[in-house]
Amino acid sequence: GQQLNQSPQSMFIQEGEDVSMNCTSSSIFNTWLWYKQDPGEGPVLLIALYKAGELTSNGRLTAQFGITRKDSFLNISASIPSDVGIYFCAGQKQAGTALIFGKGTTLSVSS
Amino acid sequence: EAGVVQSPRYKIIEKKQPVAFWCNPISGHNTLYWYRQNLGQGPELLIRYENEEAVDDSQLPKDRFSAERLKGVDSTLKIQPAELGDSAVYLCASSSRLGSTDTQYFGPGTRLTVL
Repeated sequence: GQQLNQSPQSMFIQEGEDVSMNCTSSSIFNTWLWYKQDPGEGPVLLIALYKAGELTSNGRLTAQFGITRKDSFLNISASIPSDVGIYFCAGQKQAGTALIFGKGTTLSVSS
Repeated sequence: EAGVVQSPRYKIIEKKQPVAFWCNPISGHNTLYWYRQNLGQGPELLIRYENEEAVDDSQLPKDRFSAERLKGVDSTLKIQPAELGDSAVYLCASSSRLGSTDTQYFGPGTRLTVL
């Protein structure tokens, strides 16, 4: 099935560093979402974006909905050990339909 | 408010055996989704329900997979018979549309291992 192009695949950083990851698609989406998944758990929603150009923050997390509606990025500032996990972007073409996911970015933080 | 509940959390079966997964969505959410997540991949939709009606089952392998959502609340996903390639995490999600947006909330998933 279709999946979004998410990069990087993995990141190894020091505690306190900033992190940036992004997602691109050949298709237009009306909603972009970012989820975090811990081992053995389901994805947990971090940020939802509903308008092209929208920039939204949730604590140390900031995400933007690209103006072409074909991309999005997620930044994490001042990383801490509990940021470790797999981050997924997801696009949705219209409300109530399936999410199309990227393959995830695995984040490792060393203290 | 309780989240999406799934059971069992883990299941190990031999190939050719049947298996069933259960999902209880967030109260009031009329849309329910079943996704399958293979190792190292993002989730992919199997089937979507609006209330009790399956409105998108195009990705469900209908020769061996079936699902139901009686009374538009709980849902069951069944595989019969299971194959080795069915080993994956099966995730249930639910949402409630608010205007032109809806947010999907996921359960913890059922990790299936087929031997």
